Amino acid sequence: GQQLNQSPQSMFIQEGEDVSMNCTSSSIFNTWLWYKQDPGEGPVLLIALYKAGELTSNGRLTAQFGITRKDSFLNISASIPSDVGIYFCAGLTGANSKLTFGKGITLSVRP
Amino acid sequence: DAGVIQSPRHEVTEMGQEVTLRCKPISGHNSLFWYRQTMMRGLELLIYFNNNVPIDDSGMPEDRFSAKMPNASFSTLKIQPSEPRDSAVYFCASRPFFTGELFFGEGSRLTVL
Repeated sequence: GQQLNQSPQSMFIQEGEDVSMNCTSSSIFNTWLWYKQDPGEGPVLLIALYKAGELTSNGRLTAQFGITRKDSFLNISASIPSDVGIYFCAGLTGANSKLTFGKGITLSVRP
Repeated sequence: DAGVIQSPRHEVTEMGQEVTLRCKPISGHNSLFWYRQTMMRGLELLIYFNNNVPIDDSGMPEDRFSAKMPNASFSTLKIQPSEPRDSAVYFCASRPFFTGELFFGEGSRLTVL
């Protein structure tokens, strides 16, 4: 079946640093989404990408839809303590199909 | 606007008991999903509905699990009988047709003793 690969499982950075995460697949996806999950909460949508090559920003977050449609990247600039959480990528093959989620990357930010 | 509403937020029960989790999707959303999250397996899709019709239940672990969506504003996930390995956080999520943007509830944390 389709799988999305996120690694490493955990990342540790210093407050103020930039961090980049990527998500790769052997399958093509038509939509890429990035979610963040805070402890005890449900995942919250950060950014949605709909076209190959698309680069979209949301505040300090920037995400890109890879040209091959098999990968996506999320960058967080000038990290702050509230960026701590689990970041999931998700891909969609068709408008009404099910989302495939990566296993997530747990981000820790040291003050 | 209200988001996806799940109840209960926490449930502790004993092995063998029936558990029912409830979900109210966002009004106007046509698709509803049930996920299970554990440390070991991450987010697993259990079942999803389009327009109240189950489309894919291949993720439902076994016959002890069942899900229904009697109308556009309500869904249930039932486990009968429950087992300790069912302990997890269960999320409901909904989305409008023709977008991939899934909106999650806050989850129901189930502990089966």
